[in-house]
Amino acid sequence: EVQLLESGGGLVQPGGSLRLSCAASGFNFRSYAMSWVRQAPGTGLEWVSAISDSGGSTYYADSVKGRFTISRDNSKNTLYLQMNSLRAEDTAVYYCATLPIAAAVYFDYWGQGTLVTVSS
Amino acid sequence: EIVMTQSPATLSVSPGERATLSCRASQSVSSNLTWYQQKPGQAPRLLIYGASTGATGVPARFAGSGSGTEFTLTISSLQSEDFAVYYCQQYNNWPPTFGQGTRVEIK
Repeated sequence: EVQLLESGGGLVQPGGSLRLSCAASGFNFRSYAMSWVRQAPGTGLEWVSAISDSGGSTYYADSVKGRFTISRDNSKNTLYLQMNSLRAEDTAVYYCATLPIAAAVYFDYWGQGTLVTVSS
Repeated sequence: EIVMTQSPATLSVSPGERATLSCRASQSVSSNLTWYQQKPGQAPRLLIYGASTGATGVPARFAGSGSGTEFTLTISSLQSEDFAVYYCQQYNNWPPTFGQGTRVEIK
């Protein structure tokens, strides 16, 4: 059974940093591209970032480019999102998700999410 | 970026009735479109990919259709567990973008 477990969310002040983690199990993690998708309270979904299976290629939404860094450790079956210079508008539930096909950026398995709140 | 527009925002349907949800893209996305279902407090669930292919384990009452800029998700006979928010998403162009969602509520 595919399982994705996010952690690392919490309350942070504007301008601060957080690192999210997503522990994966139940599938061959190193063979799949992965992504982060977020959802601000009471609103819709926004793709944030994606990374190839090897970690050699990374992609970002314009809204986070230069502030967020996606990475992965295939030896630990873990995906990361380093978030710097956080803003109030980054407040959201952050989901990690698998991409079933690297060339097609849609998401078949999702974690339960971790809440990031940016507020003073 | 491609803008995805869903209609209606809210759909009130009685159990057992058919529900038809629409999704329009601001430019052609070919058949590179997915539908997700999200229930309160839960992560989204993939229902349909490639505009019309059901994901693993998705009941046959969920059907996707369309191509280009106009897409439809039809739920043939609504069950109690189908009341949720539904999102479409295009993956034809970068960045992948989602519609704002259609809430299906009990009439």
